[in-house]
Amino acid sequence: DTGVSQDPRHKITKRGQNVTFRCDPISEHNRLYWYRQTLGQGPEFLTYFQNEAQLEKSRLLSDRFSAERPKGSFSTLEIQRTEQGDSAMYLCASSLVQGADYGYTFGSGTRLTVV
Amino acid sequence: AQRVTQPEKLLSVFKGAPVELKCNYSYSGSPELFWYVQYSRQRLQLLLRHISRESIKGFTADLNKGETSFHLKKPFAQEEDSAMYYCALSVWSGNQFYFGTGTSLTVIP
Repeated sequence: DTGVSQDPRHKITKRGQNVTFRCDPISEHNRLYWYRQTLGQGPEFLTYFQNEAQLEKSRLLSDRFSAERPKGSFSTLEIQRTEQGDSAMYLCASSLVQGADYGYTFGSGTRLTVV
Repeated sequence: AQRVTQPEKLLSVFKGAPVELKCNYSYSGSPELFWYVQYSRQRLQLLLRHISRESIKGFTADLNKGETSFHLKKPFAQEEDSAMYYCALSVWSGNQFYFGTGTSLTVIP
């Protein structure tokens, strides 16, 4: 599969625990994005990277959230001290910066349930 | 502030009937608009972009700046069109998308 891969697919954690998700983008894509989707809502932007640089963060990304993309390849999203409100689908997407082709390729997402 | 509105959460049409999924946006700059689709148990995927003026799977969408709309249309709905459809607005040259809340389309055989 040469698409965007996310791991794990599902994560159940107790409130207060830390969790980390991984995203492997399409290899030639230099932009990587994280979105969050809650029930009944569309995806909401969290942050994006161009290569290894994190260029923009949403106000949704509280100080409990941190994202990295070492070496401009895969990315991790960590949530510390999880809260029930963090329960959501976390989507990763990647894209090339070229011309007018701004469509993303999305991964299947990681569904987080905080109990 | 940027915003995308999809007024219909659920839409049902009969097979062969025309379908229109509504999308309105709010953005002071020059908008770039997209439709994404999510079929059952599949990932979100790009359906079409207004800049390319393409027709994908029989769907078209025209950007109407006067009405700030980007409605998705298909003249004859097929059962395989049943899915969740999201309208999305791109700002800052694709740095982030604003998605609507989605419309779940069901095509009745």
